[in-house]
This record gives sequence, structure tokens and C-alpha cells, in this order.
Amino acid sequence: GAGVSQSPSNKVTEKGKDVELRCDPISGHTALYWYRQRLGQGLEFLIYFQGNSAPDKSGLPSDRFSAERTGGSVSTLTIQRTQQEDSAVYLCASSPDGDSNQPQHFGDGTRLSIL
Amino acid sequence: AQSVTQLDSQVPVFEEAPVELRCNYSSSVSVYLFWYVQYPNQGLQLLLKYLSGSTLVKGINGFEAEFNKSQTSFHLRKPSVHISDTAEYFCAVSDRGNNDMRFGAGTRLTVKP
Repeated sequence: GAGVSQSPSNKVTEKGKDVELRCDPISGHTALYWYRQRLGQGLEFLIYFQGNSAPDKSGLPSDRFSAERTGGSVSTLTIQRTQQEDSAVYLCASSPDGDSNQPQHFGDGTRLSIL
Repeated sequence: AQSVTQLDSQVPVFEEAPVELRCNYSSSVSVYLFWYVQYPNQGLQLLLKYLSGSTLVKGINGFEAEFNKSQTSFHLRKPSVHISDTAEYFCAVSDRGNNDMRFGAGTRLTVKP
């Protein structure tokens, strides 16, 4: 079956512009995660959605970052007024129901470059 | 909250040599442990996981890891590496009953001919 799908795969934009990154999780997975991976660094947790519960936004670095998940499936991560430090690979992952013993299934990421 | 330390940012080895990638974690409760691999321009793929039971866990591509509770470690090993094992490897830990998975900074394994 299809895995986690992210789009676009690459995004280049000018500083100050807004960007939207999309994640389509594995069908039936209720848990969805967004991470940021800066060059040469590990994964930085951003936000977590589980079913209809309120999302865990504790990892969002500033109020320029927001995310939504409509219909419990597709998620969009929005970065407003982008800055150069936002340049990174943004990874999305999903798991069946978010239990801590379940591995996460990752998309290939969106490589965001801010000029 | 739990945390993960990967002691080596880069590990260069020759083909067919053994390799060990080190991972230590800290947590106040019992944990689940994972190793993921990331090939260039791809997302992370699960290599193996420790949930309970036997402390020696075997994963895909000939990798294995051993959970050592007293040393709070979960080192990844392979007895003989291939060029195709060149990738970034991430150790991750999640507290039991907690949805928060934390990842290490990664170890770049480079296998040379």
C-alpha cells in the first residue's frame, strides 16, 4: 500500500513569504507527526495529531508556525513570514494510533530553502 | 522527559568490517527503543525496535541491537557492513504511555571500499 506522501519534495522561496507543506499519512493511521531536520542535525519534534484530540503543539518554534489536520487525514504545515533559519527538511510521520510502542512511518520530506 | 545521545556523529569504516553505533538514553520510566535509517533524500525507515522481552533485537539488513538497562544503552551493531549501508542512523526513545518520541542527533555511517 501507499506510504506517507509529502509534497512538494522541494520548495525554494524568498524570505518573508508564506509556505504550505502537505502530508498525506498512511490510510487508517490516526497519529500524525511533523518534524524539522536541519542540515546535519537530528529530528526536532514540531507537532503531533492524534485522532480528534487537540494537537500537541509543544514543539512549534514560534507563532509563525501552524498546522492543521482536516478530516483526520491530510495535514498542512504552514510557515508564515519565512526566515532563513527555517531552511530545513520537514518530515511527516504517521502511526496506527500513536501508542508509544509503535514505530512511525516517515515520508520522504520536503526540503525547504529560504533565500 | 526522555532524551537520547548518539556518541558518534560520524563513523567511517571499510567494507566487510564490523561496526557499532552507540546510543545512550535517559528516562525516569521504562522505555521503548528504536533505530531508524535514513538514506540520502529519503525519510526514515525502521531498522529495529525493542519493546520488551529479549534484550538482543534483530532487525533488517543484518543489523542488531542490544538493550542494556543498567548502562541505559541501545547500541546498534552489524558484523560485516556493505557499501549500501552508507546512511544516517537515528536512535529514538519513547516513554511507555507517552506519545513523545525523542530522536538522537544521528550518526553518519560511511562505508568505504
